[in-house]
Amino acid sequence: GQQLNQSPQSMFIQEGEDVSMNCTSSSIFNTWLWYKQDPGEGPVLLIALYKAGELTSNGRLTAQFGITRKDSFLNISASIPSDVGIYFCAGRIRKSGGSNYKLTFGKGTLLTVNP
Amino acid sequence: ETGVTQSPTHLIKTRGQQVTLRCSSQSGHNTVSWYQQALGQGPQFIFQYYREEENGRGNFPPRFSGLQFPNYSSELNVNALELDDSALYLCASSLDLVGQKNTEAFFGQGTRLTVV
Repeated sequence: GQQLNQSPQSMFIQEGEDVSMNCTSSSIFNTWLWYKQDPGEGPVLLIALYKAGELTSNGRLTAQFGITRKDSFLNISASIPSDVGIYFCAGRIRKSGGSNYKLTFGKGTLLTVNP
Repeated sequence: ETGVTQSPTHLIKTRGQQVTLRCSSQSGHNTVSWYQQALGQGPQFIFQYYREEENGRGNFPPRFSGLQFPNYSSELNVNALELDDSALYLCASSLDLVGQKNTEAFFGQGTRLTVV
């Protein structure tokens, strides 16, 4: 099935460093979402973006919805050990008539933080 | 914790068998979606249920089927299991009200299915 192009695949950083990851698509989405998944758990929503150009923060996390509606990035500032996990981007198109919420996910970025 | 609960958490089945996975949606949510996540991959959309009817389907064969009950809980059934069906199966619930801003999907912890 279709998956978004997410990069990098993995990152190994020192505690306190900033992190940036991004996601691109050949298709337009009208919503971009960023999730974090810990081992043995389901994805947890971090940030939701609804308008092209939108820049949204959630604590140390900042994400942007690309102007072309085909890309998004996530930044994490001053990383800490509990940031370890897999980060997924997901795009969504709403069907005309409203209610289809199919999410298309990237393959994920594995983040490791060295204390 | 999201309030979406799935059972069982782990399951081992033999190729050719049938399996039923269950999901209780978060209180107040009326829409349930199912995703398959293979090892090292992102979740792939299987289908969505809204008002007890299938409301969108991904690229999965008919042996993947589902149900939604009046209390909005849901089941995913897979017939004639194949080795490639081994994956984490995720359920996500959301509130979908026509003409209004809907909630984002909240995921359960998943069911790890192993087919041998």
